[in-house]
Amino acid sequence: EVQLLESGGGLVQPGGSLRLSCAASGFTFYSYAMAWVRQAPGKGLEWVSGISANGVYTFYAGSVRGRFTISKDPSQNTLYLQMNSLRAEDTAIYYCAKYTATEQLGEHWGQGSLVTVSS
Amino acid sequence: QSVVTQPPSASGAPGQRVTISCSGSSSNIGRNTVNWFQQLPGTAPKLLIYSNYQRPSGVPDRFSGSKSGTSASLAISGLQSEDEADYYCATWDVSLNSWVFGGGTKLTVL
Repeated sequence: EVQLLESGGGLVQPGGSLRLSCAASGFTFYSYAMAWVRQAPGKGLEWVSGISANGVYTFYAGSVRGRFTISKDPSQNTLYLQMNSLRAEDTAIYYCAKYTATEQLGEHWGQGSLVTVSS
Repeated sequence: QSVVTQPPSASGAPGQRVTISCSGSSSNIGRNTVNWFQQLPGTAPKLLIYSNYQRPSGVPDRFSGSKSGTSASLAISGLQSEDEADYYCATWDVSLNSWVFGGGTKLTVL
């Protein structure tokens, strides 16, 4: 059974940093592309970032490019999202998501981790 | 404002058929396949349809997807109370070089 478990969320001040982790199990982690998707309170879904199966190629939404960095560690079966220069508008639940074998977004999702940016 | 547009709400009585539209452009839906997600209140999204019309295992065949040109649709037949949820379409946008979601459609079962 595929499981994705996010951690690392919390309260951070504007301008601060936070690193989210997503522990993956139940599938061959290094064989699949992964993504982070967020949802601000009461709002819709927003794709944040994606990374290829081999970790070489990374993609970012314009709203986070230059501030967020996605990475994956196959030795730890873990996906990361390093978030710097955080803003109030980054406040959201952050979901880790696995692509399908044909790189379609969202075959499996974690339960989400809440990030609150506030002074 | 999303580059992919969905109606904010939809409704239907139990047993009825309802469709939800997803409208885009030549840089997204017109060039790439569409996925659909269901999000029940307080839970993570769930993949309902991928690659325009493919259903993951475990998704009832009451749910179906289609695409034509720069638009896509999700149809739900035999509507049930447990179908009350938010539904999102998503696709890759070649101009933005990112996945884009529609704004979401809140489905109410009357």
